[in-house]
Amino acid sequence: QKEVEQNSGPLSVPEGAIASLNCTYSDRGSQSFFWYRQYSGKSPELIMSIYSNGDKEDGRFTAQLNKASQYVSLLIRDSQPSDSATYLCAVNKNNDMRFGAGTRLTVKP
Amino acid sequence: DARVTQTPRHKVTEMGQEVTMRCQPILGHNTVFWYRQTMMQGLELLAYFRNRAPLDDSGMPKDRFSAEMPDATLATLKIQPSEPRDSAVYFCASLVGGQAEAFFGQGTRLTVV
Repeated sequence: QKEVEQNSGPLSVPEGAIASLNCTYSDRGSQSFFWYRQYSGKSPELIMSIYSNGDKEDGRFTAQLNKASQYVSLLIRDSQPSDSATYLCAVNKNNDMRFGAGTRLTVKP
Repeated sequence: DARVTQTPRHKVTEMGQEVTMRCQPILGHNTVFWYRQTMMQGLELLAYFRNRAPLDDSGMPKDRFSAEMPDATLATLKIQPSEPRDSAVYFCASLVGGQAEAFFGQGTRLTVV
């Protein structure tokens, strides 16, 4: 079992729709959770961090964390073509950062 | 402008040659990671350091890869001898400590022919 698993995708949604990205992790002791966005040929950049159970909203992005289920998700509302990228889930335990393989999202105009 | 700096950005080398990649973490960041990214495997953790001490290099093929941090401003990843299967993008990332996020360098795209 991989330490961090993401739905493999690719995921395609029409412009204006909600994109839902999911991630599960294996280490129950994990302490902080992140979503990174990576455009083709570029390095990953942080878009959301979440540390406690529940929802965290930032503009069109909402991160959800459920530690009991070891589950993290990212919702993107009103998806735009510029959101087309690979989204990486990351999990941090004691400064050991592990990443999922990523989900490629395409937003079609 | 605080950022992680990696050199070189691109490297093409012949099989069997030694390759050295360098990373300058953000000043004040005490944890440095080396990752390798391929289409097939995604982002894999190779090794990481905290306060310059290696903490985990279990993701790294020991027979040909080595990672060091000779001082707080420089981390190196060396492959000797290189093989075509090492072709990938190698990222360095650093974080300040605690449960903070990691910041990535621009990566080194390595091609071994």
